[in-house]
Amino acid sequence: AQTVTQSQPEMSVQEAETVTLSCTYDTSENNYYLFWYKQPPSRQMILVIRQEAYKQQNATENRFSVNFQKAAKSFSLKISDSQLGDTAMYFCAFMKLFYNTNAGKSTFGDGTTLTVKP
Amino acid sequence: GAVVSQHPSWVICKSGTSVKIECRSLDFQATTMFWYRQFPKQSLMLMATSNEGSKATYEQGVEKDKFLINHASLTLSTLTVTSAHPEDSSFYICSAEGRGDKNIQYFGAGTRLSVL
Repeated sequence: AQTVTQSQPEMSVQEAETVTLSCTYDTSENNYYLFWYKQPPSRQMILVIRQEAYKQQNATENRFSVNFQKAAKSFSLKISDSQLGDTAMYFCAFMKLFYNTNAGKSTFGDGTTLTVKP
Repeated sequence: GAVVSQHPSWVICKSGTSVKIECRSLDFQATTMFWYRQFPKQSLMLMATSNEGSKATYEQGVEKDKFLINHASLTLSTLTVTSAHPEDSSFYICSAEGRGDKNIQYFGAGTRLSVL
C-alpha cells in the first residue's frame, strides 16, 4: 500500500515571499503520478500541479514548481511570490495506475494548512 | 477545464433516513468516478471507485450496503447513504476521470451531510 506523508500541519508566509511545502511518499510502484491539490475555505479541490514519475524534469505552473526526487521519494511544492489567495489547505497525492483501465487511484497526505499574511 | 457538478451541496436529514448525492460530469465522459469522505481539517479518504456499467470497488472498511454507489452512465454517479446515522455526518466529495486525460481527476464541490 502507498503512504503519503506531509510533515508540516501548518505553515505561514508573508505575501510576496516564497514557501516550500514538503511531501514524502512510500511505494513499490515504478510508474505513477504525483499531485499537489489546493483546498481553499470553499472546500473545492483544485489541481495545482502534476508530475509523472517517469519524467525527470520538475513540473512548473506559473508561480508553482515542484522538486521531485524519485530515489528519495520526495515531492515538495514551492510557491513563489505568495499571494493572499494562496491561503488554503494543500494536499499531496500519489496516484497508482490501474493498467487495465488506465484510471488511477489516489492516496492523499494529511494536508498542510498554508496562511499567507499581508 | 472539465466541470464536475455535485448535488446537493448541503443536506440535513433525520437519523434512519437515506440520502442520495449526485455527481455529474458536465462536459466530458467520465469513465471512472471516485467517492471520498473528508472530516474537518483532515485528509480525503477514498471510499470507492466506480466504473460506468460495473459494480463499484469499495475500499477496505467501507460498508457496501451502507454506501450504495451507482454509475449508470458516463456522466452520472450517485452515492446513497442508507439509514443514515449521526456518525455518517461528514463532507463527501466525488471526482471524475475522463478518457485520455492522463489521469487527471476533476473534483465536485462536495456535499456536507448532517444527520440529526
